[in-house]
Amino acid sequence: DAKTTQPPSMDCAEGRAANLPCNHSTISGNEYVYWYRQIHSQGPQYIIHGLKNNETNEMASLIITEDRKSSTLILPHATLRDTAVYYCIVRVANSGYALNFGKGTSLLVTP
Amino acid sequence: EAQVTQNPRYLITVTGKKLTVTCSQNMNHEYMSWYRQDPGLGLRQIYYSMNVEVTDKGDVPEGYKVSRKEKRNFPLILESPSPNQTSLYFCASSLRENPSLRHRNEQFFGPGTRLTVL
Repeated sequence: DAKTTQPPSMDCAEGRAANLPCNHSTISGNEYVYWYRQIHSQGPQYIIHGLKNNETNEMASLIITEDRKSSTLILPHATLRDTAVYYCIVRVANSGYALNFGKGTSLLVTP
Repeated sequence: EAQVTQNPRYLITVTGKKLTVTCSQNMNHEYMSWYRQDPGLGLRQIYYSMNVEVTDKGDVPEGYKVSRKEKRNFPLILESPSPNQTSLYFCASSLRENPSLRHRNEQFFGPGTRLTVL
């Protein structure tokens, strides 16, 4: 699986958009980008995933650059409950299901 | 409610005393796995199961056993726990993967079991 690079921490004001970047410059053509988050020692929670097109669901939007070497997770209106560690994971589909979580980005949403 | 449950949530035990952490899911998922989470090392997969009676080692299987006799249950067994197995453990489950279908890509995680081995 391709390695990902995320900033270790970020801050965001409540109500603002939180934009979390992820670099995956060695991504290959059959690898997907997944985002999960973990709220203080709770079980990780799936957010969104994509291959090359931008994706949106009820939780977030995922923007993948045209060359697929980087992506951005957008939480459009961050709330205090979005404070968590966010993990960007790049992996081949049907590759044994293991998720390589890495270190992630610790997002702090402030009042 | 669709969920993954783990028991116990907290456990303090002593070296060498066999223990089992149970994991159960009510979503009819084929795939289940166990992870451990340690500071500075992140989440690492211990064992996984693609379906009933099919299990395989993850990245850190030493000192652990699993079984998958029923689709809904995937217990983690520590035959002789040691202090280096003190950790936060998570069970996860999902449907058979198909990334082209949005609803079939989510892994559901349990609430975690915090284990301390003295």
